[in-house]
Amino acid sequence: KQEVTQIPAALSVPEGENLVLNCSFTDSAIYNLQWFRQDPGKGLTSLLLIQSSQREQTSGRLNASLDKSSGRSTLYIAASQPGDSATYLCAVDAYNFNKFYFGSGTKLNVKP
Amino acid sequence: NAGVTQTPKFRVLKTGQSMTLLCAQDMNHEYMYWYRQDPGMGLRLIHYSVGEGTTAKGEVPDGYNVSRLKKQNFLLGLESAAPSQTSVYFCASRPGQGHANYGYTFGSGTRLTVV
Repeated sequence: KQEVTQIPAALSVPEGENLVLNCSFTDSAIYNLQWFRQDPGKGLTSLLLIQSSQREQTSGRLNASLDKSSGRSTLYIAASQPGDSATYLCAVDAYNFNKFYFGSGTKLNVKP
Repeated sequence: NAGVTQTPKFRVLKTGQSMTLLCAQDMNHEYMYWYRQDPGMGLRLIHYSVGEGTTAKGEVPDGYNVSRLKKQNFLLGLESAAPSQTSVYFCASRPGQGHANYGYTFGSGTRLTVV
């Protein structure tokens, strides 16, 4: 069974810092990997989707990378802002297309 | 462009009552999913559907039933609610294989409390 781990579980940084969130998975046979943001009491908002043939995706201040062979993905946030405070989840799509395995998330707090 | 809409947003049930949660998507997605999210447990898949008229069990299907009579709607039913079903329920959808973007789109959630 695919297991997805996110480290750290929580992170607090001052505004303006660049930061990296980590996601690791145990089975490299994945279809794609998706990063989500979840604000308290809200649903999941998709940030970036990396297909298995891709190495990275960028959107604004966000950059996500994927290394299937090592079972790792990182989400890089540049010049963090208080509005970035949320829980960030990564999810791995297994090849049978019907299973989507979530990590437990990294709770980010960006202090003004 | 509504995306994925869940109704209701909040509900309180008494133990033993039944209810149906509705998920509607307007993106013509083939696949639809129901998840529950609990503190310390993360997101767990309850049931899913790979197309109109089809349903399948996920990780935690017991106590729930689903139906997908129309492609755009995916219903989650609780026949006899139990306090252990207190949770936040999320619906998600995605396109079928061969689509350029296979990503998931989530609804905003239904917060259910069973007393």
